[in-house]
Amino acid sequence: DQQVKQNSPSLSVQEGRISILNCDYTNSMFDYFLWYKKYPAEGPTFLISISSIKDKNEDGRFTVFLNKSAKHLSLHIVPSQPGDSAVYFCAANTLLHFGVIFGNEKLTFGTGTRLTIIP
Amino acid sequence: NAGVMQNPRHLVRRRGQEARLRCSPMKGHSHVYWYRQLPEEGLKFMVYLQKENIIDESGMPKERFSAEFPKEGPSILRIQQVVRGDSAAYFCASSPEIYWTGELFFGEGSRLTVL
Repeated sequence: DQQVKQNSPSLSVQEGRISILNCDYTNSMFDYFLWYKKYPAEGPTFLISISSIKDKNEDGRFTVFLNKSAKHLSLHIVPSQPGDSAVYFCAANTLLHFGVIFGNEKLTFGTGTRLTIIP
Repeated sequence: NAGVMQNPRHLVRRRGQEARLRCSPMKGHSHVYWYRQLPEEGLKFMVYLQKENIIDESGMPKERFSAEFPKEGPSILRIQQVVRGDSAAYFCASSPEIYWTGELFFGEGSRLTVL
């Protein structure tokens, strides 16, 4: 049962343009969402997160949008750079109690989207 | 290097042998998580441990796999009688007891190849 889905296995974007990576989830208990970036032969590194009390979080070139009613989130990268070429994983967990992080939880990951930035 | 340390980075085993993967969490972290990535697949949760306790092993295969996080020393993921289907990258992650911001910090992984 894949509770977090990334339906696009790959995406190619021209350098300088916007990259949009999508993620859907089925578990309505998820309330905290993260994006990780992974280069070959390396471990995943945290990129950006969003809690369910927000619908947008921005950090430099990276913005994550959350649509709770659609159980959908997306990561926007603008402008896209060659160094952004990597596999991007969406992840989720049940984290918040009354809007506050409480306790430690495992993350449930999607299958990943391989982003290629074309120079 | 204060990050999550995994060793060995690469391990080759023949079918039927045992594989032991080690993980030292980041300094100050007392929670350890093991994930497995099969070729061309995502990261699948295996087990979540605190010192001397298994908190959640819902993703761990019932046979041949075991994990521990002793009071002293690294966390160990042990695979007995390995089969070719165990060939994968095994990632360890850690998180702190307090002041957790919700993210897990990952090591660079141990790549197991079963011949």
